[in-house]
Amino acid sequence: ETGVTQSPTHLIKTRGQQVTLRCSSQSGHNTVSWYQQALGQGPQFIFQYYREEENGRGNFPPRFSGLQFPNYSSELNVNALELDDSALYLCASSLQGLGIYGYTFGSGTRLTVV
Amino acid sequence: QQQVKQSPQSLIVQKGGISIINCAYENTAFDYFPWYQQFPGKGPALLIAIRPDVSEKKEGRFTISFNKSAKQFSLHIMDSQPGDSATYFCAAVPSTSGSRLTFGEGTQLTVNP
Repeated sequence: ETGVTQSPTHLIKTRGQQVTLRCSSQSGHNTVSWYQQALGQGPQFIFQYYREEENGRGNFPPRFSGLQFPNYSSELNVNALELDDSALYLCASSLQGLGIYGYTFGSGTRLTVV
Repeated sequence: QQQVKQSPQSLIVQKGGISIINCAYENTAFDYFPWYQQFPGKGPALLIAIRPDVSEKKEGRFTISFNKSAKQFSLHIMDSQPGDSATYFCAAVPSTSGSRLTFGEGTQLTVNP
C-alpha cells in the first residue's frame, strides 16, 4: 500500500464535542505530522510524532493531542470543539532524516463544527 | 504571526503566459524554501524547492528565484497550461526543525484556455 490515507474524509461535529481523526502513513515512513488548513489559508503545523512520541508542536492549545502507534499510523484528537476548529486537517508522513523531500501529504479530513 | 507572506491571493493567466507568485519571509533561521501545488480535494504536493545558497533553480517549466538579502523568493511558471490551475503555496523550513513547514497564505492560479 502506498500513499497516506486519512479517515474519515468528511465529518460534522457539534461545538463542545470531541473528535478523532486517523492517518495511515506511507509504507516505510516513520514520522507523522499534522497540519490544520482553514478555508483559504495555508496549512499550519500542529505537531509531529516520531517513535510514538511528540517531536515538536506548533501554536495549538493542549486540547489538540495525538498518538502514534507501533505501525506508525497516527491519530489526532481534538477536545471541546470550537467553531474555529472547522478546517481541513492534513496528515503528512515522512522518513526521519529525509526532510521535506520525503514528505507525503494525505488528502485530508474536512471537519465542520456547528 | 505570519512568518511567510505570499502574493497575489489570486492570479488569472492566459494559456502560454507566465505566472509569477511572490513570497517574503522574516525568520532568518529558514534555510529551505519549497513550493507546493494543491488541487481541490487533495493534499499539497511538493513542486520544487531551493536552498538560499543558490539564486535560481529550474525544473521544467517551473523556476524559483531567490533573493537572500531581500528575504524574498518567487515561483515562475512558464508556458502556463490549464492543467496548472491549482492553489500554490510557498513554504519555509529551518533545518533545525526537521520537516516543520511554515506555509504562505496561498495563491489560487487560474489558467484560461
